[in-house]
Amino acid sequence: DIQMTQSPSSMSASLGDTVTITCLASQDIGNYLSWYQQKPGKSPKLMIYGATNLEDGVPSRFSGSRSGSDYSLTINSLGYDDEGIYHCHQYYEYPLTFGSGTKLEIK
Amino acid sequence: QVTLKESGPGILQPSQTLSLTCTFSGFSLSTYGMGVGWIRQPSGKGLEWLANIWWDDDKYYNPSLKNRLTISKDTSNNQAFLKITNVDTADTATYYCARIDYRFDYWGQGVMVTVSS
Repeated sequence: DIQMTQSPSSMSASLGDTVTITCLASQDIGNYLSWYQQKPGKSPKLMIYGATNLEDGVPSRFSGSRSGSDYSLTINSLGYDDEGIYHCHQYYEYPLTFGSGTKLEIK
Repeated sequence: QVTLKESGPGILQPSQTLSLTCTFSGFSLSTYGMGVGWIRQPSGKGLEWLANIWWDDDKYYNPSLKNRLTISKDTSNNQAFLKITNVDTADTATYYCARIDYRFDYWGQGVMVTVSS
């Protein structure tokens, strides 16, 4: 199985900050990587797919990048609405797997 | 507008079979390239993929659940189903269905399932 090692597990940042969340894939997944935002009691919301593609309707403050086996989600100009848990997900190979999640708190 | 909604029993006892239904609109599972997947999330924990079914009835399962899973669909009624046999307390979770258009793009609101004696 492909392991997605996500870091950090939690973080706290201030309004207007820029933050980066990373997932390390245990083997090649091409660009078959998505990022989801999940708020308490809600279902995950697709933010980024194909490692770098912004889903329709998602603010351009969100971006995805790849460096080798490292995949990153960067959020610029943090707002209160960005608080939540972020999950990475590889859909390159079965069984599909998710990272363990990053809890983002806005101070 | 794409929507999905899960339904299930809410609570069931160990060793029983969990039957879940995903009723969707805004797309068809007879359309080339479309699929529906099931994912679950125990309270306070991460996401675990369970199974996918595709427009051509191709099916994929998470081997960690061994042979307990069965996914199916009713294309004419826009529904997908998941059965999990021989449940135990470790199957207590919120279960989501999601549309697959290369990736899980639309998710249902989730249904909570509790396994308890």
